[in-house]
Amino acid sequence: SQTIHQWPATLVQPVGSPLSLECTVEGTSNPNLYWYRQAAGRGLQLLFYSVGIGQISSEVPQNLSASRPQDRQFILSSKKLLLSDSGFYLCAWARGIVRGYTFGSGTRLTVV
Amino acid sequence: EDQVTQSPEALRLQEGESSSLNCSYTVSGLRGLFWYRQDPGKGPEFLFTLYSAGEEKEKERLKATLTKKESFLHITAPKPEDSATYLCARPAGGTSYGKLTFGQGTILTVHP
Repeated sequence: SQTIHQWPATLVQPVGSPLSLECTVEGTSNPNLYWYRQAAGRGLQLLFYSVGIGQISSEVPQNLSASRPQDRQFILSSKKLLLSDSGFYLCAWARGIVRGYTFGSGTRLTVV
Repeated sequence: EDQVTQSPEALRLQEGESSSLNCSYTVSGLRGLFWYRQDPGKGPEFLFTLYSAGEEKEKERLKATLTKKESFLHITAPKPEDSATYLCARPAGGTSYGKLTFGQGTILTVHP
């Protein structure tokens, strides 16, 4: 069966510090991978998606970047965090769109 | 660009009091619709996929229905454990690489 792992679960970082969130998928190959952010009381905003190794598409101009160094690994990064980067970050995978997404458990990021 | 709107934003029910949540979208046409349940501090959990007008799917006390313009999530005789945020989403369309556009969600609270 397929599983998705996302860590850490919570993170408190000072403004200006770097960020690295990691997501890995098991039990499938060549998945589409997504990073979403969810602000408090709001829906999910797509940040990045990837259809293959090294292929990253950005949806929203921002202080963040993403990389896909391996088929089932997706990393969200920032060189210098801003207060506005606080939120709940979700990684998801899908094979096509027929069955929708499977989400990770999320990372609660607080920038102080 | 498709806009997905959910109503109401929040819904409080007494245990056993049935009701419905609405998900509407601006770009008509059947590209499919997804419903998710999200518990606080966790990633969304897949509930249903609907593709055809008139299609219905059920899971325990939940039933999802679909028209060309909107979807409803009916909750029959809810229990406190049904309390969660319910999200709907639509595929972005075109060469979307499986991107989903999410509504803002409905926060459901069921009181015993």
